[in-house]
Amino acid sequence: QKEVEQNSGPLSVPEGAIASLNCTYSDRVSQSFFWYRQYSGKSPELIMSIYSNGDKEDGRFTAQLNKASQYVSLLIRDSQPSDSATYLCAVRGSGGGSNYKLTFGKGTLLTVNP
Amino acid sequence: DAGVTQSPTHLIKTRGQQVTLRCSPKSGHDTVSWYQQALGQGPQFIFQYYEEEERQRGNFPDRFSGHQFPNYSSELNVNALLLGDSALYLCASSLTGGIVNYGYTFGSGTRLTVV
Repeated sequence: QKEVEQNSGPLSVPEGAIASLNCTYSDRVSQSFFWYRQYSGKSPELIMSIYSNGDKEDGRFTAQLNKASQYVSLLIRDSQPSDSATYLCAVRGSGGGSNYKLTFGKGTLLTVNP
Repeated sequence: DAGVTQSPTHLIKTRGQQVTLRCSPKSGHDTVSWYQQALGQGPQFIFQYYEEEERQRGNFPDRFSGHQFPNYSSELNVNALLLGDSALYLCASSLTGGIVNYGYTFGSGTRLTVV
């Protein structure tokens, strides 16, 4: 089982719709969770971080975390063509103060159609 | 406020050669991590430097080595290049105490092509 799994997509939604991106992880005691957006040919850009169960909202973005199900998701409301990108889920695992690395999924390609 | 800067932007090397990539972290950050991103894949952790020491290492061979300088900038060295080393190399910086909540800030990357 891969450490962090995402559907590779592509996920295609119409402009103005809600895009739902999902991620599962294998390390049950993972601590912190991040969503990065990566435009083609560019570097990843942090858009959301979450570390407690529940929802966290920032503008049009909502991150949801369920540690019992080892599941984290990202909702994008009122999707815009400029949201078209690859979305990377990243997890900081267990290991307390000695584990600093982020483990990434392969990413989900989102296309928002005008 | 300068973000993470990497150089060079693009690089073409021949198999067997050696390469050095450079990174300056975001102002105020003290930790530098290096990631390799192959086409269509997520970034893979190579190693992290803090206080001029390699603090953590991923599953990469010893051909990959690094260094951090007193000003927190860092270098990634790859020896005996293989075709499979062709990838986007990303530098990510953070403030050690902020990793849990704030993750990492990535530079624009160095595209390495090995021919």
